[in-house]
Amino acid sequence: SQTIHQWPATLVQPVGSPLSLECTVEGTSNPNLYWYRQAAGRGLQLLFYSVGIGQISSEVPQNLSASRPQDRQFILSSKKLLLSDSGFYLCAWDRGQSILEAFFGQGTRLTVV
Amino acid sequence: GEDVEQSLFLSVREGDSSVINCTYTDSSSTYLYWYKQEPGAGLQLLTYIFSNMDMKQDQRLTVLLNKKDKHLSLRIADTQTGDSAIYFCAESSSFQKLVFGTGTRLLVSP
Repeated sequence: SQTIHQWPATLVQPVGSPLSLECTVEGTSNPNLYWYRQAAGRGLQLLFYSVGIGQISSEVPQNLSASRPQDRQFILSSKKLLLSDSGFYLCAWDRGQSILEAFFGQGTRLTVV
Repeated sequence: GEDVEQSLFLSVREGDSSVINCTYTDSSSTYLYWYKQEPGAGLQLLTYIFSNMDMKQDQRLTVLLNKKDKHLSLRIADTQTGDSAIYFCAESSSFQKLVFGTGTRLLVSP
């Protein structure tokens, strides 16, 4: 069976510090991978998606970047965090078929102080 | 670009029906989805509908699609306290990404 791991679950970081959130998927190959941010009252915002190794599409201009060094690994990074980067970050994957059933990780609550 | 909108909040009594509404702008949407998010967790797919259908029923859930008006709704019959969650509408027009709405927080009171 497929599983998705996302860590850490919570993170408190000072402004200006770097960020690295990691997400890995097991039990499938060549998944589509996604990073979403969920902010209060703003719903679920797609940040990045990837259809293959090294292929990253960015949906919104921001202080964050994403990388996919391996087929089932997706990393969200920042060189210098801003207060506005605080939020709940969700990693997800799907099989890239016509019906996009996405499977989500448990999320990372990031607080920038 | 694609845009999916929902009302933010819905409150119902246990045993009543809940109707959560969604509007979208992408006329090329092929599938539309309803996801559920319980507190502190990721999202789970509840149901989906193909764009050439206008209704789909799955136990207590009924999805209605008005493609002309780009309006999607989710009806939950006999709503229970365990149905309290955030419900997200989503659409896809390609194999490559889902676009989610803002989410509707459903509160079910005893």
